[in-house]
Amino acid sequence: QQQVKQSPQSLIVQKGGISIINCAYENTAFDYFPWYQQFPGKGPALLIAIRPDVSEKKEGRFTISFNKSAKQFSLHIMDSQPGDSATYFCAARQPSGSARQLTFGSGTQLTVLP
Amino acid sequence: GAVVSQHPSRVICKSGTSVKIECRSLDFQATTMFWYRQFPKQSLMLMATSNEGSKATYEQGVEKDKFLINHASLTLSTLTVTSAHPEDSSFYICSARLGEKLFFGSGTQLSVL
Repeated sequence: QQQVKQSPQSLIVQKGGISIINCAYENTAFDYFPWYQQFPGKGPALLIAIRPDVSEKKEGRFTISFNKSAKQFSLHIMDSQPGDSATYFCAARQPSGSARQLTFGSGTQLTVLP
Repeated sequence: GAVVSQHPSRVICKSGTSVKIECRSLDFQATTMFWYRQFPKQSLMLMATSNEGSKATYEQGVEKDKFLINHASLTLSTLTVTSAHPEDSSFYICSARLGEKLFFGSGTQLSVL
């Protein structure tokens, strides 16, 4: 079964701190790993994404670290702000088929305290 | 950036009625769109893949006669919940693929009384 396991389920961070969310996958054929941010009552918004041939990607305060051998990847949010409080989902793209669907992690509820 | 528009954002209906949800890609053409269902504090569950000009592909356990999907053009896919029941109450989200990226609509909260 193709799964993406995400942890922690919830995370509380002080303003200015670093938020770290981890994901692990099973299918080594996954070829694209995006992170999404979702606010209550809204659809997910693409934050940042990485391919398995890259070990790290940074965009502003958001960084993805990718460990291909361990089949793990993580999202780091530097200088976390209260406005970052949301649910974050990691995902992995199925490598074959015309649809190339995403498999989502279970989500992490991030709360950044002011 | 790519924009996916979803309407309505919220709908309340009586049990037994049908509800149509629209998903439009505003600034790009999408041959493939996806429909998800999300329960509170849970992840997105893929319901079906909508392909322009052909029949949708439904995930296991999703009733295709209850959740009718039509993808009549490269910018529009619709999901119709037929004969809705209270257990169909949920947050429904569409998405459209542009290249390797997937962009989501803002979701529709369906409440069936």
